[in-house]
Amino acid sequence: NAGVTQTPKFRVLKTGQSMTLLCAQDMNHEYMYWYRQDPGMGLRLIHYSVGEGTTAKGEVPDGYNVSRLKKQNFLLGLESAAPSQTSVYFCASSYDRQAPGGANVLTFGAGSRLTVL
Amino acid sequence: DQQVKQNSPSLSVQEGRISILNCDYTNSMFDYFLWYKKYPAEGPTFLISISSIKDKNEDGRFTVFLNKSAKHLSLHIVPSQPGDSAVYFCAAVGGADGLTFGKGTHLIIQP
Repeated sequence: NAGVTQTPKFRVLKTGQSMTLLCAQDMNHEYMYWYRQDPGMGLRLIHYSVGEGTTAKGEVPDGYNVSRLKKQNFLLGLESAAPSQTSVYFCASSYDRQAPGGANVLTFGAGSRLTVL
Repeated sequence: DQQVKQNSPSLSVQEGRISILNCDYTNSMFDYFLWYKKYPAEGPTFLISISSIKDKNEDGRFTVFLNKSAKHLSLHIVPSQPGDSAVYFCAAVGGADGLTFGKGTHLIIQP
């Protein structure tokens, strides 16, 4: 099984350009997440989805949009890229929600490194 | 305000010795904790977890200890091996966004 696959792995954008990061999972997971990792900041949740057709905001949603048209895919869009969005983006999925009283392990993709000039 | 804190950005340990990575949290609603390990150019992978009803969980060379009264947990790796060199993230379940990560600690195992 491939697990979680992210494309592209690297991308360089100019300020104001748009792009979409694609995440695909083959584990039939209900929940999918987009995180960004910045030096000294750890992993911060951008948006997440609790099932096909649903999306919700995380800790740092501004400047991003997401869509979950198919259960296996979760897209992260930047409509007008800014240098502050230079980061490594990780997609993850889980069978169930990270709910109090229990936890379902997140499976992460390998990451997408985005540079905005 | 950071709810999960890993105050040591990096830690250097000699091969064969014990590595101790620390994590503090502030939210009393957190009731499940996980450690993820991350190598360069790869995504984080799950390492070990612990429920708040326990104070210790062991898996091979890895042991996680939880002190609820101090809101502190630690990951012990014994003995440390070169392949353990990685960034370790502490994470907690129970907050509004489900899973809250610390900033990570870069563990370097010296030969």
